[in-house]
Amino acid sequence: GAVVSQHPSWVICKSGTSVKIECRSLDFQATTMFWYRQFPKQSLMLMATSNEGSKATYEQGVEKDKFLINHASLTLSTLTVTSAHPEDSSFYICSASPGGRARETQYFGPGTRLLVL
Amino acid sequence: AQSVTQLDSHVSVSEGTPVLLRCNYSSSYSPSLFWYVQHPNKGLQLLLKYTSAATLVKGINGFEAEFKKSETSFHLTKPSAHMSDAAEYFCVVSFSTGTASKLTFGTGTRLQVTL
Repeated sequence: GAVVSQHPSWVICKSGTSVKIECRSLDFQATTMFWYRQFPKQSLMLMATSNEGSKATYEQGVEKDKFLINHASLTLSTLTVTSAHPEDSSFYICSASPGGRARETQYFGPGTRLLVL
Repeated sequence: AQSVTQLDSHVSVSEGTPVLLRCNYSSSYSPSLFWYVQHPNKGLQLLLKYTSAATLVKGINGFEAEFKKSETSFHLTKPSAHMSDAAEYFCVVSFSTGTASKLTFGTGTRLQVTL
């Protein structure tokens, strides 16, 4: 149980285009979903926290107009990188939390590697 | 503010020998601490977590960690390394934001296991 999927796993796009990444909790309802960014050989940095039906809360330094997050249902959150540039190339990882008594638990997706040319 | 410091960026051990991955934390109150493992091209997997119950926490795959408040440490150990243990390990501290908890990751320790 507690499986989180991400799609796509790999994406290459041209500079200036937008890319959408999906994160799904497959066998549980996720009250909260998180989006992280990981640069090569570095740690995960939290970008934003989203609750179903609410606006996402972005961490300091993360451009909310650049990284659009939608949490339309209890099993789906999307991250759209708008007008992507080479510096947006990174590994994007989502996680999902059931909330409630399990709110400290986050289940992670396998990640999406984005390369912007 | 809460933070974790992983003291070693890279650890190399021989197969069959003990593993020690060090982590120190900083927290203004009693923290919840986790160890996650990240294998190449795979998602993060929870190894174990400490949430103010027993100070010695047993996790999956033979790993365990001991919470030592006096030393503000949460080191990860395993008696005998296996080749499949080679991966990146993250020490993580959690703090509650109401409906969910945010995680702060350490910088990671890459474990290499040699024959």
